[in-house]
Amino acid sequence: GAGVSQSPSNKVTEKGKDVELRCDPISGHTALYWYRQSLGQGLEFLIYFQGNSAPDKSGLPSDRFSAERTGGSVSTLTIQRTQQEDSAVYLCASSTGGNGEKLFFGSGTQLSVL
Amino acid sequence: LAKTTQPISMDSYEGQEVNITCSHNNIATNDYITWYQQFPSQGPRFIIQGYKTKVTNEVASLFIPADRKSSTLSLPRVSLSDTAVYYCLVGDYKLSFGAGTTVTVRA
Repeated sequence: GAGVSQSPSNKVTEKGKDVELRCDPISGHTALYWYRQSLGQGLEFLIYFQGNSAPDKSGLPSDRFSAERTGGSVSTLTIQRTQQEDSAVYLCASSTGGNGEKLFFGSGTQLSVL
Repeated sequence: LAKTTQPISMDSYEGQEVNITCSHNNIATNDYITWYQQFPSQGPRFIIQGYKTKVTNEVASLFIPADRKSSTLSLPRVSLSDTAVYYCLVGDYKLSFGAGTTVTVRA
């Protein structure tokens, strides 16, 4: 597609359930980022993938959060045993990587944990 | 990793010029300065990027002094549709975007 695609756009789940959020980056982009944005706040970095290198997981808030990127393209962010504080918009961005890269963002997944 | 400081909010009127200054005292030699715009319910969108001096595109201008410890995003003749949050980033993106500057344009 022409841009970064995220699905679902909205997800409502019950506390304790697991959720999977999907990101389809721009074709050819080697770098992929996940961010979390709570209501009225800035973007909190979660995880970074660059090509075939090991991902930078330094932003993941707990071991309930994990992400993978298959075949250097689609990425899935998984949150296990969701908590109410996980409610936020989860944003994915991709780029060509390198110094001075420009990020292209998806529209995000609004996650609500009841 | 360079930390940035920018005003929390700014108000303006249609047709005016809006200037948002971002401080980044610890900028590294190879860091670029990049600005993004975010509308409600959307992901941020790239506006402009620079390394030094002045950069201009169809949307904005970016002024960077010689010491590169700050930068100013200039939005000429704003309209209501420019109401958004503007983020200044320096260096790589394995940083959290701060709260940005909420620009409100009034009629």
